[in-house]
Amino acid sequence: EPEVTQTPSHQVTQMGQEVILRCVPISNHLYFYWYRQILGQKVEFLVSFYNNEISEKSEIFDDQFSVERPDGSNFTLKIRSTKLEDSAMYFCASSDRGRSTDTQYFGPGTRLTVL
Amino acid sequence: EDQVTQSPEALRLQEGESSSLNCSYTVSGLRGLFWYRQDPGKGPEFLFTLYSAGEEKEKERLKATLTKKESFLHITAPKPEDSATYLCAVSAGGGNKLTFGTGTQLKVEL
Repeated sequence: EPEVTQTPSHQVTQMGQEVILRCVPISNHLYFYWYRQILGQKVEFLVSFYNNEISEKSEIFDDQFSVERPDGSNFTLKIRSTKLEDSAMYFCASSDRGRSTDTQYFGPGTRLTVL
Repeated sequence: EDQVTQSPEALRLQEGESSSLNCSYTVSGLRGLFWYRQDPGKGPEFLFTLYSAGEEKEKERLKATLTKKESFLHITAPKPEDSATYLCAVSAGGGNKLTFGTGTQLKVEL
């Protein structure tokens, strides 16, 4: 069964450093998403991406964040200068189309720890 | 702003003891209500999508229902392997983002 994969599973970084989180969405899916979950809190939407453009983003997704589809299979989230409060689980998701009724399938997550 | 509230926050059941989890929502123009299961340290695993009031879906011991204000996830004769956090999420309006509730942490004991 096709699944979303994410690497690394755990990333530890120093405050102020740049990190890149990687995702491989399900192969025939066209819409990609990033969510985050701070420990003990709800899953929060960050950004959606289609056709090499951001289609929607939340207030959390400020200038420190960027997304990219560098090739035909990967989807990345970059945090330019990490802060302590960026520590969270980051989930990538994909859907075959971007309709609000379409199911989003999630990856296993990357745990980001900022020291 | 879309809001999703789940109750109870935590639920402890004996094996075989059926119960229901609640998800109430306040949105402008519901497009879909989604149930996910999340195991500790893992990503949400898709269970069901419901689109309109009156709709029901079943999978093994789980049954999801939807009204105009809330959704229920009924668990019949649960087993220890059903222990997980169950998340409810909605999509609304013209966008495709999901708004999640805080989840119900279910523990099923022998």
